Parts: sequence; structure tokens; C-alpha cells
Amino acid sequence: ILNVEQSPQSLHVQEGDSTNFTCSFPSSNFYALHWYRWETAKSPEALFVMTLNGDEKKKGRISATLNTKEGYSYLYIKGSQPEDSATYLCAHYSNTGNQFYFGTGTSLTVIP
Amino acid sequence: DTEVTQTPKHLVMGMTNKKSLKCEQHMGHRAMYWYKQKAKKPPELMFVYSYEKLSINESVPSRFSPECPNSSLLNLHLHALQPEDSALYLCASSLSESKMAQYFGPGTRLLVL
Repeated sequence: ILNVEQSPQSLHVQEGDSTNFTCSFPSSNFYALHWYRWETAKSPEALFVMTLNGDEKKKGRISATLNTKEGYSYLYIKGSQPEDSATYLCAHYSNTGNQFYFGTGTSLTVIP
Repeated sequence: DTEVTQTPKHLVMGMTNKKSLKCEQHMGHRAMYWYKQKAKKPPELMFVYSYEKLSINESVPSRFSPECPNSSLLNLHLHALQPEDSALYLCASSLSESKMAQYFGPGTRLLVL
């Protein structure tokens, strides 16, 4: 099992605040990293597929960066809204693992 | 249609029962996955089907038996489960078995008594 770690485990922010959280993964044999948003009682939804070192992806107020050499990815949310409340999962794919390994997620609560 | 559907949403079964979980997608995806998730743990891969053939079996006990009758359907047959098998079972699909994003169903919450 290839360890994928996410921090913090949970986070409470006020509406309008910007926030970010981290996904750490083994840097060797990197192939791809995914970010998913998982709202309660819904299906996990893909946010970003990242493959290249230095990748920056953006979707509305949410963006992500990737550093494959040091083995981390950041997810940023600008001006958090209550509808951003969800668990954010990252999943790492290496050439040796041959499958995606998920982190435990960061649970975000945005307080109105 | 960009949805993966799973039935049932909830399932309670005894250790001697036989039941099946069903997953369906109509996006033309050729890879389908079963994951198991216990509370506060990451989803763990159980099986991968690629072009209707089993390509990955992550040492899952034989009391879990996957089946892929066609490219749109994926079943998970359950028999003689243990209480520790209680978990959320997630199905996902992707265009192919590669680095592409996976589309997940809402899961089946299973309780084994």
C-alpha cells in the first residue's frame, strides 16, 4: 500500500474565508493525482486530474497545484461558501502501484 | 447521462444470507471498479474490470464475488459475510483503466448482523 496522507483531517471556516489543504504522496514513480469532492449523501465527484509536475488547475473558486518531485498537492478554495462543505479526497496513482490509492480526506465545513 | 447508479442504497443481511449489489453506467466507460470504505478510512480498491474482464483482484476474500455481465453492469455477489464486512461499497467507472477521472455511484451501505 502506498501511503497517501491528507491534512488537516477536518476544517471549519467562516463563509468568505479562503482555505487550503494538503495531499502528500510518495514522489517516486508518479503517474497521476486526482482530487474529488464528496458531499454528504452524494457520490464523490472528480474535481481535477493532475499529471505533470507544476500543474495548476482551476475550476471556479477552487484550484489545485502539484509538486511531483516533493510529493504533494495543494487544494485552494477562495471565498468559501456553505455549498463548499464536503469531504475532499485525493487519490494517487503510481506506476508501481498500478491502481489509485486514496487519502482519508479533509472534511470542510463552511459556517454561514 | 453522466451518472453511475447503485442499488440497493442500504442493505442489512445475516451471515448466512446471499445478496447482490448492482452498479450501472451508460457513459460507454470500459473500466469499472468496486471499492470498500470503512468509517474514517480511505476507499480501498477491491476489484477492477477492464473491457468486461477482471484485471485486478486485491486479495479479496472469496465471499465477495464480482461479475460483469456486460459493459454497463457490474455486480458484487455476497455470501457468508462477516460483521467486519459492514461498510460502504462504492462502484466507479472510467473511460478506460488508466489515469482518467473516475465517476462514482452513491454507494451501498451494508450492515452484516
